[in-house]
Parts: sequence; structure tokens; C-alpha cells
Amino acid sequence: AQKVTQAQTEISVVEKEDVTLDCVYETRDTTYYLFWYKQPPSGELVFLIRRNSFDEQNEISGRYSWNFQKSTSSFNFTITASQVVDSAVYFCALSEMDMYSGGGADGLTFGKGTHLIIQP
Amino acid sequence: DTEVTQTPKHLVMGMTNKKSLKCEQHMGHRAMYWYKQKAKKPPELMFVYSYEKLSINESVPSRFSPECPNSSLLNLHLHALQPEDSALYLCASSQVRQGGNEQFFGPGTRLTVL
Repeated sequence: AQKVTQAQTEISVVEKEDVTLDCVYETRDTTYYLFWYKQPPSGELVFLIRRNSFDEQNEISGRYSWNFQKSTSSFNFTITASQVVDSAVYFCALSEMDMYSGGGADGLTFGKGTHLIIQP
Repeated sequence: DTEVTQTPKHLVMGMTNKKSLKCEQHMGHRAMYWYKQKAKKPPELMFVYSYEKLSINESVPSRFSPECPNSSLLNLHLHALQPEDSALYLCASSQVRQGGNEQFFGPGTRLTVL
């Protein structure tokens, strides 16, 4: 069974600080996919990044960066120079190849989320 | 058009009512999903449609009945709900390729069952 753990329930930092959100996953599959989503107070989930299990390259997108380490089953997310607009709940999610749906439409298993508060 | 729309935004219903939630996308995606999210919890998968056919049902009670009339539309029919069914219902869509398709979510319908 697959599982995603986000141990940090809530993080509060002052604007311009760097902050790292942790994500640890469990899966028996060798082919799987990891995601990060942002959910602001409005409620809509916003896709941030997808990473497949064969691609351990770290990625940077502006102030956002992601560190994928298969050895520790972790996919951590760092925001550099945080801003108040980054305040939201951030979810890490996992999907596996679903044999029954033909491997194309797989549900996401979400971690419990980390509530990030950026104080001005 | 990179948007998933959901109607209504809010819905209040009694336990004996029948109502429907609607979701629409025009991104050409052939997979559509329903998730349920309780307050301060992560979204939980309910149903997956792939090429307009139900492919995953996560043991959802029969008082929730999904329908996919065409590749752009997804409905969730509600009947005889319980107060514990009150939640944010999120619809998502994605491409259908070999796994790991990023899902694009709508704003959700906030449902209250009295």
C-alpha cells in the first residue's frame, strides 16, 4: 500500500526566510510519481511539480526547488525568500501505475499537508 | 482553456434531498476524478473515469452516484446523504498517458448536509 507522510503539520516563518517542507513516501512499486500541490485559503488545489521515480534530478523553478532522494524515499520542497503569498497548505502526493485503468488514470494519495504561514 | 469549472460553489441540502454536482473541462483530458476533502484533511479519492468509463471506485457508498455523460462533463449525483458527508468536493481532470499525469483541480463545491 502506498503512503505519504508530511510530519510538519504547521510551519510559521517570517517573510524572506527560507523554508523546507518535508515529504516521505512509501510504495512497493518501482514506477511511481510524486507531486506537490498548493491549496490557498480559496480551496483550489494548484499543481506545482511532478517527478517520476526514474528521475532523481533536483529541480528549481524561481524561488521553488525540490529535492528527490530515492535512498531516503523523500521529496522535499524548499521555498527561498518566502513571501506572504506563499501562505497556504501544501500537499505532497503519490501515484502508482494502475494496472486496472491501463496505467493512465491513477488517483493521488495525499499526505496530510503542511500549513505554511508566512508572517510579514 | 486550462480551467476546470464546478457548479454550484456552495450547496446546502437536507438528508432526503436529491442534488447533483457538476464538473466541466475543455482541455481535452480523457480522465476525470472526484475527491472528497473534509476540513483540515487531505483530499481523498472517490471515483476515477477514464475514457468516460468508471475505472476506480474507492468503495464509496451508493448514495453517491457518479456519471460521465461525455469527455468534458462529470456529474456526482447525491441522494439521502448524511451530515458526515458535508465536505468540499473537488473535481479534477488529466490526460491519460502512461502514468503520473498531473491532475488539474476545480475550485470545489462546498456541501453542507443538514
